[in-house]
Amino acid sequence: DIQMTQSPSSLSASVGDRVTITCRASQDISNSLAWIQQRPGKAPKSLLYAASSFQSGVPSRFSGSGSGTDFTLTISSLQPEDFATYYCQQYHAYPYSFGQGTRLDIK
Amino acid sequence: EVQLVESGGTLVQPGGSLRLSCTASGFTFSNYWMSWLRQAPGQGLEWVANIKQDGSQKNSVDSVRGRFIISRDNTKNALYLQMNSLSVEDTAVYYCARGGSSMGLWGQGTQVTVSS
Repeated sequence: DIQMTQSPSSLSASVGDRVTITCRASQDISNSLAWIQQRPGKAPKSLLYAASSFQSGVPSRFSGSGSGTDFTLTISSLQPEDFATYYCQQYHAYPYSFGQGTRLDIK
Repeated sequence: EVQLVESGGTLVQPGGSLRLSCTASGFTFSNYWMSWLRQAPGQGLEWVANIKQDGSQKNSVDSVRGRFIISRDNTKNALYLQMNSLSVEDTAVYYCARGGSSMGLWGQGTQVTVSS
């Protein structure tokens, strides 16, 4: 099975900051990676697929990059609604798997 | 409005069975792979199963294979998850999602609690 590891597990930042979250796969997954946001007490929401393609309605301050085993999610200028937990997910091979999550808190 | 609405979650005893439903609206359900995922209390997300548009292909995680059955009824725009031989480890919020690989749309979830 493919293991997904995110770093950091948590971070604190301020509105307007630029933030980067990293996701590493245990083997080459090409660009078969999605990023998902989950606000506290809410259902998940998909942000990106194919490592860097936007789901409908996602603000342009979010961006993704990477291929192979190393990927990043960048938020260029944090907004209050961006404080949430972020997950990466690989869909290169079954069973699909998620990173453990990165909790983004307000500093 | 484009949405997915899950139902059927409840408290069930270990060894029991439960069927979850997910009703789709606002899009052509039969055009999409569909998936079930879950999230145990205080934990991360876990992919459970997916099903092709016509139901001819199904995949599931090892921990539920042989116990959970995913199915769909395109005439009713509905996705199902039949869960048998439930254990306390199956306690989670269960989400249905549109898509078989990356999930473009998620429902709000339904709580399944397995406890005696």
